[in-house]
Amino acid sequence: TQLLEQSPQFLSIQEGENLTVYCNSSSVFSSLQWYRQEPGEGPVLLVTVVTGGEVKKLKRLTFQFGDARKDSSLHITAAQPGDTGLYLCAVTTGTASKLTFGTGTRLQVML
Amino acid sequence: NAGVTQTPKFRVLKTGQSMTLLCAQDMNHEYMYWYRQDPGMGLRLIHYSVGEGTTAKGEVPDGYNVSRLKKQNFLLGLESAAPSQTSVYFCASRGVLPEAFFGQGTRLTVV
Repeated sequence: TQLLEQSPQFLSIQEGENLTVYCNSSSVFSSLQWYRQEPGEGPVLLVTVVTGGEVKKLKRLTFQFGDARKDSSLHITAAQPGDTGLYLCAVTTGTASKLTFGTGTRLQVML
Repeated sequence: NAGVTQTPKFRVLKTGQSMTLLCAQDMNHEYMYWYRQDPGMGLRLIHYSVGEGTTAKGEVPDGYNVSRLKKQNFLLGLESAAPSQTSVYFCASRGVLPEAFFGQGTRLTVV
C-alpha cells in the first residue's frame, strides 16, 4: 500500500486547458511538498504547504493542503507546453527524517 | 556551487557483477537519500541516512547496501546485480527544511 496515492496517473491535454491533480493519503502530515521532474533530470521543489486549508500560488499553479492535512491538490490554469513533466507530492515521516514520494502524475501539454 | 553530484551517470552491468554508486553533496546537509525510479513511476526509497555514520532502510532495500562514512558522501552498493535492478537511481540531500535537492541520476542497466 502506497503512503501517497496520486491521481490521475497520466494526463494529456491541449495548451490553454485547466487541470487538477491530487495527492491523497489516510495519514496526517505536518507538511507536504510538490515537486516537478523533467525528463532526464532530478525532481525540483515547487512548493511546501504546512497549514491545513493553506493555499499557495506560484504563477499559474495553485496548491492547496487539505483541512485535515491528509491530502493536497495542484491546479494549473491555462496549461502551457512548459508545464509538461512528472508531478510528485512528498512528505517527511519518522521524526521528519524519512522522505517519501507519491506515485506521480505525468502531464503532457500539447500545442 | 555543485549541489548534489552523482557518479557515474550511466553504467551497464552483467548479472552478478557488483558496483558502487557515489553521491556527493556540498551543502553540509544532514539527511541523504537513495531512490530508484522505474519507467513511468514515482520514486521509491531504497535507503537513507540522518547523519554521518548512520543508515536506515527505506521501502525497497533488498539487494542494496549503503554507507555514510563522511557527511558529504552517501554510497549505494549492489553486491550481485540482477536484471530487476535496472533502473534510474537518484540521490538527494536535505537540511533542516523539508526541501530536498537531487542529483542528475544514474541510469543503470543490468543484462
